[in-house]
Amino acid sequence: QLQLQESGPGLVESSETLSLTCTVSGGSIITSDYFWAWIRQAPGKGLEFIGTVYYSGSPSYNPSLKSRVTFSVATSKNQFSLKLSSVTAADTAVYFCARQAVAATDFDYWGQGTLVTVSS
Amino acid sequence: QSALTQPASVSGSPGQSITISCTGTSSDVGRYNFVSWYQQHPGKAPKLIISEVTKRPSGVSNRFSGYKSGNTASLTISGLQADDEATYHCCSYAGNAISIFGGGTKVTVL
Repeated sequence: QLQLQESGPGLVESSETLSLTCTVSGGSIITSDYFWAWIRQAPGKGLEFIGTVYYSGSPSYNPSLKSRVTFSVATSKNQFSLKLSSVTAADTAVYFCARQAVAATDFDYWGQGTLVTVSS
Repeated sequence: QSALTQPASVSGSPGQSITISCTGTSSDVGRYNFVSWYQQHPGKAPKLIISEVTKRPSGVSNRFSGYKSGNTASLTISGLQADDEATYHCCSYAGNAISIFGGGTKVTVL
């Protein structure tokens, strides 16, 4: 059974960089059938697509966040990561990592999510 | 791209059917048959319940069904049960490897 687990600081200072890692277990991150995604949910709000990355690179970012987001992949560790720079209180959210099917574009496996609070 | 439009809340009695709408544009919902729906219970991760407009993943109850017409997709829950009380999110592919979510609809079982 595939599992995804987010990890990283739960508190980030305003204007600093938020860094999270997603560890995939029960399957390899090296697959041509899936992208690896980051999605966030501000308190009481809907889901927001941050972007996806293929195991070999080639990230795609939400245009609204593109200038501040960077994805990376560590295939040897079966991990992928998110960095979001210049954070503000508006970036306070639960951050989910997920697997996205290349063909169907749906998100079929999700991590449990991790709350990141931006403090001022 | 703007978020897809969903009603904030929908309610129904046990055994009834309810429908949740998800309205996008001709650039996302109207263009691609890649609309998916997710069920999210409080404090939990979303769960995929409908893929590619109408397809149910293995293990998902056949009480959930999806449909699309033009720029609007819909999720119908038939035979409403207490455990269906949750927030439902729609999502559409919008081209260039970008996906867009709706604002979520809270379903209340009366």
